[in-house]
Amino acid sequence: DAMVIQNPRYQVTQFGKPVTLSCSQTLNHNVMYWYQQKSSQAPKLLFHYYDKDFNNEADTPDNFQSRRPNTSFCFLDIRSPGLGDAAMYLCATSRDLWGLYGYTFGSGTRLTVV
Amino acid sequence: GQQLNQSPQSMFIQEGEDVSMNCTSSSIFNTWLWYKQDPGEGPVLLIALYKAGELTSNGRLTAQFGITRKDSFLNISASIPSDVGIYFCAGRIGSGAGSYQLTFGKGTKLSVIP
Repeated sequence: DAMVIQNPRYQVTQFGKPVTLSCSQTLNHNVMYWYQQKSSQAPKLLFHYYDKDFNNEADTPDNFQSRRPNTSFCFLDIRSPGLGDAAMYLCATSRDLWGLYGYTFGSGTRLTVV
Repeated sequence: GQQLNQSPQSMFIQEGEDVSMNCTSSSIFNTWLWYKQDPGEGPVLLIALYKAGELTSNGRLTAQFGITRKDSFLNISASIPSDVGIYFCAGRIGSGAGSYQLTFGKGTKLSVIP
């Protein structure tokens, strides 16, 4: 089945130690998104790629970076994780920016910062 | 930015009862999406609505795109225990620069008592 896969499902990192979360998709969608979701809150968009064009949300901290080396993969790098960065990180894809054919989410990576 | 007011925040219902939840906004939306999120998982799309007045069903779920384009409703009939989860509405304005991103409601947490 075509899908969005996030690895790992659970990640524990030390305060200040760089960490990378990964997302891959077999849907061949043009757009990939990274969302941050804290407990009992709505997902918050961090940034998205339309093909190779990167778009950062205005309030996304500089601590968060992303890479998309090819259509299938997208990475979220947190350079110096703080305790406030503990959250579920969700990757999503859509065929186009308008989401006319829907948005597909991965199962998420739950990040714990110790 | 645009805000979606989703209500109720949480609800406890008896198995077999019908459920209604809604999202409202002061902004006009061109797309409404309803997602369900199980604990520790990513959101899964339930229903997508693209046209004012549209009424769409998916099994026991029915969602409507409000005529004013400022609201949407989700109904679940004859609830069962596996309906437990958090239901999110998401809307997209869809015109003008930067308007393609999704805005999420804060979610409705549904608990079903057997």
